[in-house]
Amino acid sequence: DGGITQSPKYLFRKEGQNVTLSCEQNLNHDAMYWYRQDPGQGLRLIYYSQIVNDFQKGDIAEGYSVSREKKESFPLTVTSAQKNPTAFYLCASSMAQRDINSPLHFGNGTRLTVT
Amino acid sequence: AQSVSQHNHHVILSEAASLELGCNYSYGGTVNLFWYVQYPGQHLQLLLKYFSGDPLVKGIKGFEAEFIKSKFSFNLRKPSVQWSDTAEYFCAVNRKWGAGNMLTFGGGTRLMVKP
Repeated sequence: DGGITQSPKYLFRKEGQNVTLSCEQNLNHDAMYWYRQDPGQGLRLIYYSQIVNDFQKGDIAEGYSVSREKKESFPLTVTSAQKNPTAFYLCASSMAQRDINSPLHFGNGTRLTVT
Repeated sequence: AQSVSQHNHHVILSEAASLELGCNYSYGGTVNLFWYVQYPGQHLQLLLKYFSGDPLVKGIKGFEAEFIKSKFSFNLRKPSVQWSDTAEYFCAVNRKWGAGNMLTFGGGTRLMVKP
């Protein structure tokens, strides 16, 4: 079955450490996205990528970094510069970022807790 | 800046009650509108979408939404809810972002249906 895999489901880190969240898709989608979900604030876009080796900042990119070396993979690194890293992180993909008829497919998310 | 507002953060209903979840957006141009749903323990999935044509859109599981352009609204409705409709519901509006398109999500409405 095609889909998006995020791992791990739960992640715990100490303050000051960088942490990388994995996102893999086998849907052959060109576009991939990272959202952060906080209670009452919906989903806020962190970064997105339209094609391999290209990515753009979203609404709340500060303290995060990404890479897109392969079409299937779009890892997100939460750096120590992110002031409030504890959150639920969702990865998504769509066929083409320019295609407004292409809905997003979401992974199951990673809940990151930083203490 | 474009925003999406969902007025009710939490809604509690009994089974068979009617449901209406509000969604308003602030954007003067052409919009594409979506409702996504996240059932407990599951990933976000598309419930319905509006691009053009009939402003009354029917989605999965008996849900429908009405686009009222003059009110900048896209409210979600269901005549008779079931316990299985317990979930979090997100309204989203397509917007231009660079050369492509991006979804802006509302803050979400958590629906609990009592059996």
